[in-house]
Parts: sequence; structure tokens; C-alpha cells
Amino acid sequence: AQRVTQPEKLLSVFKGAPVELKCNYSYSGSPELFWYVQYSRQRLQLLLRHISRESIKGFTADLNKGETSFHLKKPFAQEEDSAMYYCALITGGGNKLTFGTGTQLKVEL
Amino acid sequence: GAGVSQSPRYKVAKRGQDVALRCDPISGHVSLFWYQQALGQGPEFLTYFQNEAQLDKSGLPSDRFFAERPEGSVSTLKIQRTQQEDSAVYLCASSLGAGGLTEAFFGQGTRLTVV
Repeated sequence: AQRVTQPEKLLSVFKGAPVELKCNYSYSGSPELFWYVQYSRQRLQLLLRHISRESIKGFTADLNKGETSFHLKKPFAQEEDSAMYYCALITGGGNKLTFGTGTQLKVEL
Repeated sequence: GAGVSQSPRYKVAKRGQDVALRCDPISGHVSLFWYQQALGQGPEFLTYFQNEAQLDKSGLPSDRFFAERPEGSVSTLKIQRTQQEDSAVYLCASSLGAGGLTEAFFGQGTRLTVV
């Protein structure tokens, strides 16, 4: 069965420090992976998807099929990056997102 | 509207009571999804509609849960005889295309507390 694992519930970094939010997945098919973000008192929103190979707000994520990982990275953390981040895998013939349990990122001054 | 709208935002139900949660998707969006998010967990898939057709209901936890989207727009998630384990935030999302590969836009959720 498909599963998404985010090993860290909370990640605390200082402003300007590099950030890496870990995500590992298990899925027998060809994976399509996403990162969603939820800022305080806001709704869940798409941050980026692997298929687009884009950088959003300075964040990037590379799919590593050998390690079955899709870690989210940013070279220099900003205070406004503090939020809850969810890694998600699309399954079910493309009809459902399987989410990880999320990592709370806290950027300290 | 500006985005996906869910109502009510908060609902307290006595155990055994029936509840109905409403979702207004973005106009013109073909796909509609319901997710359940328990405290400290990520959202878990409940069901998926493409227009008025419910194509996937594999995530509904029991036959007490029922969802409909009769005209391919507004959707209602109904929970009968609520139990304490039903307490969670229920999220609705819609997307323009069929399936989940196009961006899903989420509502703010309905927080259900069963007492």
C-alpha cells in the first residue's frame, strides 16, 4: 500500500540557515509527488509538485526514486516560511492524495 | 466566489446525532474531494467526485458516512449516528480538471467535535 513518511514532527531552524524537510514514500507505481503548505490560520495550499520541476518561494524538491525520497529544501530560511508542511503522493489512478503526517517548520530569529 | 467554501466552520454534535457538512467548490471545477484530518495527522482521503459522479468512495470509514454532489457543484458530506472517533477537521477540495493531477484548492475545513 502507498505511504508517505515525514519523520520530523517539528523542525526548528534559525533565519538564514538552510532547511531540509524530509519525505519518503512507498508506492509500487510511478509516483507523482507534491508539497502542500498551511500557514497559520490559512487553508492548505499547493507549494510545488515534482512534475513541474519548479522553485516556489525559494523551495525546491527533487524526486529520488532510488531512495524513494522527495525532500523539500531551501538554502536560506525566512521567518515567513514558518508553517506546517505536508508531503503528498497521488494514487488511486490519479484521484486521491495520500498525505504524510506533516512537519511543523519554525524559523527563529 | 474567491475559493472553496465550507460550512459550518465548527460543529459540535452529541454522540448519535446526524450531521451534514457542506462544500461549495470553485465554480466550474470538475473534481471535488473530501478529506478527514484527525488531530496531529495529515489529511486522509474519503471520497472523490467527477462532476456529479462519485468515482471513488474507498476512504469512507463506515456506512455511516455518505457524500453526494447531485448537480455537479455543491457537495454534502453526511455522517449518521456520530461517534467520538468522528471528531476531526473535514476538508473539501476542488480542482479544475479530472482527477488529482491538476492543483487541488482546499477549503478552510469544518471542525467536527462529537461529545
